[in-house]
Amino acid sequence: EVQLVESGGVVVQPGGSLRLSCAASGFTFDDYTMHWVRQAPGKGLQWVSLITRDGGSAFYADSVKGRFTISRDNSVNSLYLQMSSLRTEDTALYYCAKERGKVIDYWGQGTLVTVSS
Amino acid sequence: EIVMTQSPATLSVSPGERATLSCRASQSVSTNLAWYQQKPGQAPRLLIYGASTRATGIPARFSGSGSGTEFTLTISSLQSEDFAVYYCQQYKNWPPVRAFGQGTKVEIK
Repeated sequence: EVQLVESGGVVVQPGGSLRLSCAASGFTFDDYTMHWVRQAPGKGLQWVSLITRDGGSAFYADSVKGRFTISRDNSVNSLYLQMSSLRTEDTALYYCAKERGKVIDYWGQGTLVTVSS
Repeated sequence: EIVMTQSPATLSVSPGERATLSCRASQSVSTNLAWYQQKPGQAPRLLIYGASTRATGIPARFSGSGSGTEFTLTISSLQSEDFAVYYCQQYKNWPPVRAFGQGTKVEIK
């Protein structure tokens, strides 16, 4: 059974930094591209970033480009999102998600990031 | 950047009735289109990919159609568990930047 468990969400001040983690199990992690998707409270889904299976390529939404960095460690089946220069508009539930054939097919339950002074 | 637009924002339907949700892309995405269902407090669930292929375990009352820029998700006979928010998402090959629609809430009439 595919499991994606996010962690690291906390309350952080504007301008601060944070690292989210996602522990994956139930599938061969290094066979799949992985994503981060976020959802602000009461709002819709917003794609954030993806990283290819070997970590060689990463892509970002314009809203986070230059501030967020996605990475992965295939030796421990983990995905990360380093977030810096955080803004109040980054407040959201952050989902880790797995891709198969370019389609996001599994999602974690999310970790909540609140940016507030 | 491809922009996905869903309509209507809210759809009020009685149980047993048919629901038709629309999704439009700002440029052609061929059939690189997925639909997701999200219930309150839950993560999204994949319903449809390739514009019309149901994901594993998805009931036959869910169907998708369309190609290019116009797509439709149809729920043939709404069950109580189908009241949720539905999102479309394009996954065109390049650039691999993904975009979701803003969602359609299907509520009980």
